[in-house]
Amino acid sequence: AQSVTQPDIHITVSEGASLELRCNYSYGATPYLFWYVQSPGQGLQLLLKYFSGDTLVQGIKGFEAEFKRSQSSFNLRKPSVHWSDAAEYFCAVGAPDDYKLSFGAGTTVTVRA
Amino acid sequence: NAGVTQTPKFQVLKTGQSMTLQCAQDMNHNSMYWYRQDPGMGLRLIYYSASEGTTDKGEVPNGYNVSRLNKREFSLRLESAAPSQTSVYFCASRDGATGYTFGSGTRLTVV
Repeated sequence: AQSVTQPDIHITVSEGASLELRCNYSYGATPYLFWYVQSPGQGLQLLLKYFSGDTLVQGIKGFEAEFKRSQSSFNLRKPSVHWSDAAEYFCAVGAPDDYKLSFGAGTTVTVRA
Repeated sequence: NAGVTQTPKFQVLKTGQSMTLQCAQDMNHNSMYWYRQDPGMGLRLIYYSASEGTTDKGEVPNGYNVSRLNKREFSLRLESAAPSQTSVYFCASRDGATGYTFGSGTRLTVV
Protein backbone atom coordinates (compact mmCIF):
# COMPACT_ATOMS: atom_id res chain seq x y z
CA ALA A 1 0.00 0.00 0.00
CA GLN A 2 1.15 3.52 -0.69
CA SER A 3 1.53 6.15 2.02
CA VAL A 4 2.83 9.67 2.49
CA THR A 5 4.54 11.33 5.44
CA GLN A 6 4.86 15.07 5.87
CA PRO A 7 7.12 15.41 8.92
CA ASP A 8 6.42 19.09 9.58
CA ILE A 9 2.97 19.96 10.87
CA HIS A 10 3.59 23.70 10.94
CA ILE A 11 6.30 25.95 9.51
CA THR A 12 6.72 29.67 10.06
CA VAL A 13 8.80 31.60 7.56
CA SER A 14 9.55 35.29 7.05
CA GLU A 15 8.36 36.98 3.90
CA GLY A 16 11.16 36.89 1.33
CA ALA A 17 12.85 33.89 2.90
CA SER A 18 13.11 30.50 1.26
CA LEU A 19 10.73 27.66 2.03
CA GLU A 20 11.16 23.90 1.89
CA LEU A 21 8.41 21.43 2.73
CA ARG A 22 9.32 17.81 3.19
CA CYS A 23 7.47 14.82 1.79
CA ASN A 24 8.41 11.16 2.06
CA TYR A 25 6.43 8.43 0.39
CA SER A 26 6.20 4.69 0.52
CA TYR A 27 5.54 2.83 -2.69
CA GLY A 28 7.10 -0.18 -4.39
CA ALA A 29 7.80 1.41 -7.76
CA THR A 30 7.96 4.90 -9.21
CA PRO A 31 4.77 6.62 -8.18
CA TYR A 32 2.88 9.62 -9.44
CA LEU A 33 3.58 12.48 -7.01
CA PHE A 34 1.67 15.68 -6.42
CA TRP A 35 1.74 18.81 -4.31
CA TYR A 36 -1.51 20.65 -3.59
CA VAL A 37 -2.14 23.92 -1.78
CA GLN A 38 -5.27 24.78 0.17
CA SER A 39 -6.12 28.29 1.33
CA PRO A 40 -8.52 28.61 4.28
CA GLY A 41 -12.05 27.61 3.34
CA GLN A 42 -11.02 26.69 -0.17
CA GLY A 43 -10.55 23.53 -2.20
CA LEU A 44 -7.23 22.06 -3.25
CA GLN A 45 -5.22 23.57 -6.05
CA LEU A 46 -2.56 21.60 -7.87
CA LEU A 47 0.89 23.18 -7.57
CA LEU A 48 2.85 20.60 -9.53
CA LYS A 49 3.08 16.93 -10.36
CA TYR A 50 5.68 14.33 -11.23
CA PHE A 51 4.91 11.40 -13.49
CA SER A 52 8.28 10.62 -15.06
CA GLY A 53 11.31 12.23 -16.69
CA ASP A 54 13.19 15.21 -15.27
CA THR A 55 13.29 14.86 -11.51
CA LEU A 56 13.13 18.62 -10.92
CA VAL A 57 9.59 19.77 -11.56
CA GLN A 58 8.45 23.35 -11.95
CA GLY A 59 5.00 24.36 -10.84
CA ILE A 60 2.77 27.38 -10.49
CA LYS A 61 3.35 30.34 -8.18
CA GLY A 62 7.15 29.90 -8.34
CA PHE A 63 7.22 26.50 -6.64
CA GLU A 64 9.41 23.58 -7.60
CA ALA A 65 9.88 20.06 -6.29
CA GLU A 66 12.59 17.44 -6.67
CA PHE A 67 11.94 13.72 -6.88
CA LYS A 68 14.70 11.71 -5.20
CA ARG A 69 14.14 8.03 -5.69
CA SER A 70 16.98 6.99 -3.36
CA GLN A 71 15.43 8.94 -0.50
CA SER A 72 11.77 8.30 -1.41
CA SER A 73 11.25 12.03 -1.18
CA PHE A 74 9.47 14.75 -3.12
CA ASN A 75 10.28 18.00 -1.32
CA LEU A 76 8.67 21.28 -2.30
CA ARG A 77 10.68 24.51 -2.46
CA LYS A 78 10.20 28.19 -3.11
CA PRO A 79 13.14 30.62 -3.18
CA SER A 80 11.28 33.66 -1.86
CA VAL A 81 8.00 33.40 0.01
CA HIS A 82 5.18 35.93 -0.35
CA TRP A 83 2.51 36.61 2.27
CA SER A 84 -0.04 35.03 -0.07
CA ASP A 85 1.77 31.68 0.25
CA ALA A 86 0.35 31.23 3.74
CA ALA A 87 -1.78 28.09 3.38
CA GLU A 88 -1.84 24.38 3.99
CA TYR A 89 0.20 22.19 1.67
CA PHE A 90 -0.48 18.55 0.92
CA CYS A 91 1.77 16.00 -0.70
CA ALA A 92 0.03 13.08 -2.40
CA VAL A 93 1.08 9.84 -4.07
CA GLY A 94 -0.76 7.73 -6.60
CA ALA A 95 0.10 4.50 -8.33
CA PRO A 96 0.37 4.77 -12.11
CA ASP A 97 -2.06 1.90 -12.63
CA ASP A 98 -4.45 2.94 -9.90
CA TYR A 99 -7.02 5.69 -9.57
CA LYS A 100 -6.57 6.58 -5.93
CA LEU A 101 -4.45 9.24 -4.25
CA SER A 102 -3.03 8.93 -0.75
CA PHE A 103 -2.46 12.22 1.00
CA GLY A 104 -0.10 13.31 3.72
CA ALA A 105 -1.48 15.00 6.82
CA GLY A 106 -0.47 18.41 5.51
CA THR A 107 1.91 21.20 6.50
CA THR A 108 0.56 24.59 7.51
CA VAL A 109 2.73 27.49 6.43
CA THR A 110 2.57 30.81 8.25
CA VAL A 111 4.30 33.81 6.69
CA ARG A 112 5.40 36.62 9.00
CA ALA A 113 6.08 40.14 7.83
CA ASN B 1 -15.76 28.09 -15.69
CA ALA B 2 -14.92 24.44 -16.18
CA GLY B 3 -14.45 22.45 -13.03
CA VAL B 4 -16.06 20.47 -10.25
CA THR B 5 -19.18 21.85 -8.57
CA GLN B 6 -20.33 20.66 -5.15
CA THR B 7 -23.60 21.41 -3.41
CA PRO B 8 -24.36 22.36 -0.73
CA LYS B 9 -21.38 24.30 0.61
CA PHE B 10 -22.53 24.06 4.23
CA GLN B 11 -24.93 21.74 6.02
CA VAL B 12 -25.92 21.00 9.60
CA LEU B 13 -27.63 17.69 10.31
CA LYS B 14 -29.04 16.08 13.39
CA THR B 15 -27.84 12.62 14.32
CA GLY B 16 -29.82 10.04 12.36
CA GLN B 17 -30.84 12.35 9.52
CA SER B 18 -29.97 11.53 5.96
CA MET B 19 -28.67 13.70 3.16
CA THR B 20 -27.04 13.56 -0.25
CA LEU B 21 -24.03 15.58 -1.31
CA GLN B 22 -24.05 16.44 -4.98
CA CYS B 23 -21.07 16.69 -7.30
CA ALA B 24 -20.89 17.48 -11.00
CA GLN B 25 -17.96 17.97 -13.36
CA ASP B 26 -17.98 19.41 -16.85
CA MET B 27 -14.53 18.31 -18.00
CA ASN B 28 -15.62 14.96 -19.45
CA HIS B 29 -13.45 13.09 -16.94
CA ASN B 30 -14.02 9.39 -16.53
CA SER B 31 -12.98 9.03 -12.88
CA MET B 32 -14.60 10.74 -9.90
CA TYR B 33 -13.86 10.60 -6.16
CA TRP B 34 -15.19 11.51 -2.76
CA TYR B 35 -12.73 12.42 0.00
CA ARG B 36 -13.20 13.63 3.54
CA GLN B 37 -10.81 15.99 5.24
CA ASP B 38 -10.27 16.00 8.98
CA PRO B 39 -7.70 18.05 10.94
CA GLY B 40 -4.30 16.40 11.08
CA MET B 41 -5.35 13.53 8.83
CA GLY B 42 -5.14 14.95 5.35
CA LEU B 43 -7.72 13.70 2.88
CA ARG B 44 -9.03 10.16 3.01
CA LEU B 45 -10.78 8.44 0.16
CA ILE B 46 -14.38 7.40 0.83
CA TYR B 47 -15.53 6.05 -2.54
CA TYR B 48 -14.49 6.41 -6.12
CA SER B 49 -15.85 5.71 -9.59
CA ALA B 50 -13.28 4.75 -12.18
CA SER B 51 -15.81 5.11 -14.99
CA GLU B 52 -19.51 5.58 -15.54
CA GLY B 53 -21.39 2.61 -14.14
CA THR B 54 -18.74 1.52 -11.63
CA THR B 55 -18.11 2.43 -8.00
CA ASP B 56 -15.63 1.10 -5.45
CA LYS B 57 -14.86 1.55 -1.79
CA GLY B 58 -11.96 3.61 -0.65
CA GLU B 59 -10.23 3.83 2.71
CA VAL B 60 -13.21 4.94 4.86
CA PRO B 61 -16.51 3.82 3.21
CA ASN B 62 -18.52 2.86 6.29
CA GLY B 63 -21.67 4.92 6.71
CA TYR B 64 -21.69 6.17 3.13
CA ASN B 65 -23.15 5.19 -0.21
CA VAL B 66 -22.52 6.62 -3.66
CA SER B 67 -24.22 6.82 -7.03
CA ARG B 68 -22.57 7.54 -10.35
CA LEU B 69 -25.66 8.97 -12.00
CA ASN B 70 -23.99 9.61 -15.35
CA LYS B 71 -20.55 10.64 -16.54
CA ARG B 72 -20.92 14.13 -15.04
CA GLU B 73 -22.47 13.43 -11.66
CA PHE B 74 -21.31 11.49 -8.60
CA SER B 75 -23.32 11.79 -5.39
CA LEU B 76 -22.49 10.79 -1.82
CA ARG B 77 -25.25 9.77 0.56
CA LEU B 78 -25.27 9.59 4.33
CA GLU B 79 -28.19 7.35 5.30
CA SER B 80 -28.04 7.96 9.06
CA ALA B 81 -25.64 10.72 9.96
CA ALA B 82 -23.38 10.38 13.00
CA PRO B 83 -21.24 13.00 14.77
CA SER B 84 -18.14 11.13 13.53
CA GLN B 85 -19.13 12.16 10.02
CA THR B 86 -18.62 15.82 10.80
CA SER B 87 -16.01 16.77 8.26
CA VAL B 88 -15.27 18.66 5.08
CA TYR B 89 -16.12 16.62 2.02
CA PHE B 90 -14.37 17.07 -1.32
CA CYS B 91 -15.37 15.73 -4.67
CA ALA B 92 -12.75 15.37 -7.37
CA SER B 93 -12.50 14.21 -10.95
CA ARG B 94 -9.48 12.89 -12.75
CA ASP B 95 -7.94 13.13 -16.13
CA GLY B 96 -5.11 10.72 -16.86
CA ALA B 97 -2.84 13.41 -18.25
CA THR B 98 -3.42 16.35 -15.94
CA GLY B 99 -4.36 14.75 -12.66
CA TYR B 100 -7.11 15.63 -10.26
CA THR B 101 -9.43 18.62 -10.07
CA PHE B 102 -11.14 19.25 -6.73
CA GLY B 103 -14.38 20.97 -5.88
CA SER B 104 -14.53 23.69 -3.23
CA GLY B 105 -15.89 21.35 -0.58
CA THR B 106 -18.96 20.79 1.59
CA ARG B 107 -18.60 21.55 5.28
CA LEU B 108 -20.87 19.16 7.17
CA THR B 109 -21.64 19.30 10.87
CA VAL B 110 -23.61 16.53 12.57
CA VAL B 111 -25.01 17.44 15.98
